[in-house]
Amino acid sequence: SQQGEEDPQALSIQEGENATMNCSYKTSINNLQWYRQNSGRGLVHLILIRSNEREKHSGRLRVTLDTSKKSSSLLITASRAADTASYFCAPRGGNTPLVFGKGTRLSVIA
Amino acid sequence: SAVISQKPSRDICQRGTSLTIQCQVDSQVTMMFWYRQQPGQSLTLIATANQGSEATYESGFVIDKFPISRPNLTFSTLTVSNMSPEDSSIYLCSVRGSLSYNEQFFGPGTRLTVL
Repeated sequence: SQQGEEDPQALSIQEGENATMNCSYKTSINNLQWYRQNSGRGLVHLILIRSNEREKHSGRLRVTLDTSKKSSSLLITASRAADTASYFCAPRGGNTPLVFGKGTRLSVIA
Repeated sequence: SAVISQKPSRDICQRGTSLTIQCQVDSQVTMMFWYRQQPGQSLTLIATANQGSEATYESGFVIDKFPISRPNLTFSTLTVSNMSPEDSSIYLCSVRGSLSYNEQFFGPGTRLTVL
């Protein structure tokens, strides 16, 4: 299993602004998944992007993947207070379980 | 997507006792996992629950402390044995693998406090 490293560790923005979080990983992958975790709760699956995809959208979320740089980014547009949460990336290279890094703690201030 | 339920959602237990957490999925899945999230930390994989055979534990986790069962493709249990305050965590069940999706989904978690 390999672990993604999210950057920055913490991010604070005003409501309505865009939030960008980055993820780096070390070895080749089949796909990469992004998750959100509200305080003390389970992980919510946001989006999966496959290694042959470069960009994917879901509502206000936009995920990019650059396999040559072994990196991904998650953009949340027009952020809301309800987007306040921790965000995790999870690269997957085989049939192994996902391993998680420390995540990015996003605070959206109303 | 998979709908995962966990019981109990939370519990407060005395040290030295054991707690069994149940995980139920609404569809058959290939793989089931158990994670732990200690306060202020990220998720740590405890083990992969294998149907019909012993679970595969990660380094630092042993069967005597965290026995796991998986009797079928939709259900698993994790027992936290002989608990101490250091076991206070959120325990999460996770599933992956069916004909219809590659994503890995998580249950709502069980918040355990050991006094």
